[in-house]
Formats: sequence, C-alpha cells, structure tokens
Amino acid sequence: GENVEQHPSTLSVQEGDSAVIKCTYSDSASNYFPWYKQELGKRPQLIIDIRSNVGEKKDQRIAVTLNKTAKHFSLHITETQPEDSAVYFCAATTSGGFKTIFGAGTRLFVKA
Amino acid sequence: GAGVSQSPSNKVTEKGKDVELRCDPISGHTALYWYRQSLGQGLEFLIYFQGNSAPDKSGLPSDRFSAERTGGSVSTLTIQRTQQEDSAVYLCASSPNSGSGTEAFFGQGTRLTVV
Repeated sequence: GENVEQHPSTLSVQEGDSAVIKCTYSDSASNYFPWYKQELGKRPQLIIDIRSNVGEKKDQRIAVTLNKTAKHFSLHITETQPEDSAVYFCAATTSGGFKTIFGAGTRLFVKA
Repeated sequence: GAGVSQSPSNKVTEKGKDVELRCDPISGHTALYWYRQSLGQGLEFLIYFQGNSAPDKSGLPSDRFSAERTGGSVSTLTIQRTQQEDSAVYLCASSPNSGSGTEAFFGQGTRLTVV
C-alpha cells in the first residue's frame, strides 16, 4: 500500500542554524507533496507545498525540494527561530491525486 | 463557519461503550478525511470520502470502526465497544480537491479518552 517515510523523528538545532527533514514515498504516481506544521495542542496547518512538475519551491525561510526519480522530498528551514519549534509532517497524494498519506512527523526543537 | 468543525472537542467514555464523533467540513469541499493521532505520534489515516464515490476504508483498524458521510457534507465516525487503546485525538480534514492535490484543512480534533 501507499507509504510515506519521514526522517528524523526528532531534530534539535541551535537558533540560527538550518534544519532539514527528509521524506520518501512509495507511490510513483503521487503528484502533490504538502508540508504541515503542528504546534503543541493545535491542529496541523499547511506551511508549503510542491507539485510534481516543480523541483524546488521557496517561501522566505522555508524551501522544499522534490526528486521524483528517487521519490524523495525535503523541507529546509534556514535561520531557525524558537517559534519554528513544532512537529512537521510531510505528506504525499496517492495515484489519482486524492488520498493524502502523512509521514510519522518530525519533532523540531530550536534552542535559543 | 469558516473552518472545519468537530464535535465534541473532548469525550470521556467507559470501556465497552459506543461513541460518535462528528465532523462538519468546509462548505463545498468534496474530500473528507479522518485521521487518528495518539499522544506524541503521527497522523494515522483512517478513512477517506471523495464526492459520491465509495469511501476508502483501508485505514480503519478494526470492524469496530465505521464512518459515514451524509449528503456529501457532515461525517460521523463511530467506534463501537471502545477499548483503552482507542484513546487518541481524532482529526477530521476536508479538501476542495481539484484533481491534482490540494491543501487539507483540519478541524481542532476530538480528544477521546476511554477509561
């Protein structure tokens, strides 16, 4: 069945450093890859997404890259700040572009 | 309402009782998902509704779990004969789904505690 693997499960960085979270997916027909941020006690919210016809997308301090051949995609956060501390989930749509499967999440700690 | 609404926000039930969790998606969204999130864990896919198509129930953990979506809008997740391991936050999300993948908007969740 469809599967999304996410690494690392926990990431601790110093404020100002970069953070990278990596995901792989199993369904080669997947065409939409969103990233969600979940702060403690809150609902997941979309922070950035990328479609299969694009290799990279950037929004201020956040960037995503996609390698469709290898079925890898990554989230890059530069100049991390304490408020970036949260759980981050990658996701991929399955064939047909509908069902969204999430990775297990990465708990990011940014130390001031 | 502007967002996905879930009720109740908290539910405490005794082991063996049935519970019903409700999700009111954003108006016009054709896709609706249920996920389960245990404490400190990821988002476990449960079930997915898309328009009038048959739902994808592949994530339901046992036959004690069922869900329906009436009139393509409100959805109810039912857990029969609840067990302690059912304790979790149940999240509902809806999406407009244009056919090429779109953002899922989450409700605030229902925290279920089985005692």
